[in-house]
Amino acid sequence: SAVISQKPSRDICQRGTSLTIQCQVDSQVTMMFWYRQQPGQSLTLIATANQGSEATYESGFVIDKFPISRPNLTFSTLTVSNMSPEDSSIYLCSGTGAGTEAFFGQGTRLTVV
Amino acid sequence: AQSVTQPDIHITVSEGASLELRCNYSYGATPYLFWYVQSPGQGLQLLLKYFSGDTLVQGIKGFEAEFKRSQSSFNLRKPSVHWSDAAEYFCAVGAQAGTALIFGKGTTLSVSS
Repeated sequence: SAVISQKPSRDICQRGTSLTIQCQVDSQVTMMFWYRQQPGQSLTLIATANQGSEATYESGFVIDKFPISRPNLTFSTLTVSNMSPEDSSIYLCSGTGAGTEAFFGQGTRLTVV
Repeated sequence: AQSVTQPDIHITVSEGASLELRCNYSYGATPYLFWYVQSPGQGLQLLLKYFSGDTLVQGIKGFEAEFKRSQSSFNLRKPSVHWSDAAEYFCAVGAQAGTALIFGKGTTLSVSS
């Protein structure tokens, strides 16, 4: 399957600042998704990153807080804006090709202080 | 509502013993089912998947899972656990192969010597 390179792998940020997470896939993928994994919790879908258009957000997640870009079929970014300690989580990007299972980046462990 | 339940939060198994991790799902249509493993500090790795056909599926690292429609279950098994199997295991369900997934809360596996 394809490989996703996600960076940064971890970061410690001050509250009120923003962090942009990048995901680069080594081949074209049909769909890309962003998930959040809060401490001790499962993965929750934040949004579907749509190529060339606005992302589709799940209930409870808004574009102003989590702006997402996907300029082409191999790259996407997620920004966590105006961070608070509650945003401390692992953020993972995921990609799928046509009719294939999902594969994941290594995740970004974010700590907000 | 679509959901995935992993009843066991934490399981400890002796090295060499057999393992079964439980997964129950609630899904309106025929589900696409997955098991992923997450080692500390790592992303998610696909162990196996079920789309259709034979209800007993084989995966990597000696794992297998059995789909039981009547019980809405997709339990993961391994006949002999190795210390390197200690990790977090997630069951997930999707509408089809290339779509976003709904994850269970995960089961932490510890392996004792």
